[in-house]
Amino acid sequence: NAGVTQTPKFQVLKTGQSMTLQCAQDMNHNSMYWYRQDPGMGLRLIYYSASEGTTDKGEVPNGYNVSRLNKREFSLRLESAAPSQTSVYFCASKNRDGKNIQYFGAGTRLSVL
Amino acid sequence: KQEVTQIPAALSVPEGENLVLNCSFTDSAIYNLQWFRQDPGKGLTSLLLIQSSQREQTSGRLNASLDKSSGRSTLYIAASQPGDSATYLCAVSYAGNMLTFGGGTRLMVKP
Repeated sequence: NAGVTQTPKFQVLKTGQSMTLQCAQDMNHNSMYWYRQDPGMGLRLIYYSASEGTTDKGEVPNGYNVSRLNKREFSLRLESAAPSQTSVYFCASKNRDGKNIQYFGAGTRLSVL
Repeated sequence: KQEVTQIPAALSVPEGENLVLNCSFTDSAIYNLQWFRQDPGKGLTSLLLIQSSQREQTSGRLNASLDKSSGRSTLYIAASQPGDSATYLCAVSYAGNMLTFGGGTRLMVKP
């Protein structure tokens, strides 16, 4: 079972470059999420998608855009990367079964120089 | 704005010891609270989920309690093992959707 798959696992960017982080889940979940994790700060929600075709801002959306391409895929785009976006990015998904358990991918480690 | 705090930030114990990890939150109107485990370089794995109407949940050697009125949750780990070494995160949920995470407790269990 693949669960939640994130690509790439590692990425180094120069300031101003753009890139897209990919996330796909094979559990037929309705909701998907993007978080960033910084040392000592836990995870903070960037954007989420409650269902296919909808997206909403989380706690720290500035500098990011998202696309819910279909039910399986939810991508996160950095249009002009900044050193402050150096972080570990996690994608998660959740089913609409009332249990409210989110399943996480292994993360993408991004460094912006 | 909801804030979630975990104390201590790091903990080192000898194998076999029983231990308690603490989580506190500022707004008691939560939907539920979850405890996650994170291994180095890996994603998060959900350990226990406590609904707002519940007082505790148990899974094997793990027991999580919830006291909404005081804004606190504890994760009790019995008879700790080196394999329990990881970072433990608590997260609270409102309206069943967004999670607010604490900073985590990094646990090391020494053989």
